[in-house]
Amino acid sequence: GESVGLHLPTLSVQEGDNSIINCAYSNSASDYFIWYKQESGKGPQFIIDIRSNMDKRQGQRVTVLLNKTVKHLSLQIAATQPGDSAVYFCAENIGPTGGFKTIFGAGTRLFVKA
Amino acid sequence: NAGVMQNPRHLVRRRGQEARLRCSPMKGHSHVYWYRQLPEEGLKFMVYLQKENIIDESGMPKERFSAEFPKEGPSILRIQQVVRGDSAAYFCASSWDSTEAFFGQGTRLTVV
Repeated sequence: GESVGLHLPTLSVQEGDNSIINCAYSNSASDYFIWYKQESGKGPQFIIDIRSNMDKRQGQRVTVLLNKTVKHLSLQIAATQPGDSAVYFCAENIGPTGGFKTIFGAGTRLFVKA
Repeated sequence: NAGVMQNPRHLVRRRGQEARLRCSPMKGHSHVYWYRQLPEEGLKFMVYLQKENIIDESGMPKERFSAEFPKEGPSILRIQQVVRGDSAAYFCASSWDSTEAFFGQGTRLTVV
């Protein structure tokens, strides 16, 4: 079965507010984590990644936090915009011990209210 | 550099027919992955291939499904004798070094 799960299936935020999407993973051997954004009718789009030797990584308006102690991953989106409305997936890559495949969580749908 | 190209975008098949889904990876990428997605669900790993080799097919049904990534040409996901339960979106992704994967737009298979 899948080893990556999400706490919140849907999230509704006001435009301009910050969004936080959470994810739990169960495989302590995972060494690479990715957040993807999927808009309706499209394929997943890479947002940001982080390796297990880091606990924080920042991109443009997005920050990923990794807490290996509790196996928790989060995506923070600053100043959320209507264009951020989509389904967000966390994913883990198990590396050589897991055959390098990427396992996806169930996804969180983000609604941005104007 | 074109992205990952999948075709067709939409495919309708009658029960019992064969479905062939094609994926051309990004230029220079030798790792290809196939995923299946049902509506309102996440992506389920099916198979991971490198050129001419299947690396991991643990997510692919043992019967009716097969995948290949020949030395020349696109990767093919083949579903024989399709059933209604095969209706889904099938996504292909490619990567250069088995880490960051880039996804295609998917093929939406409908079995009638």
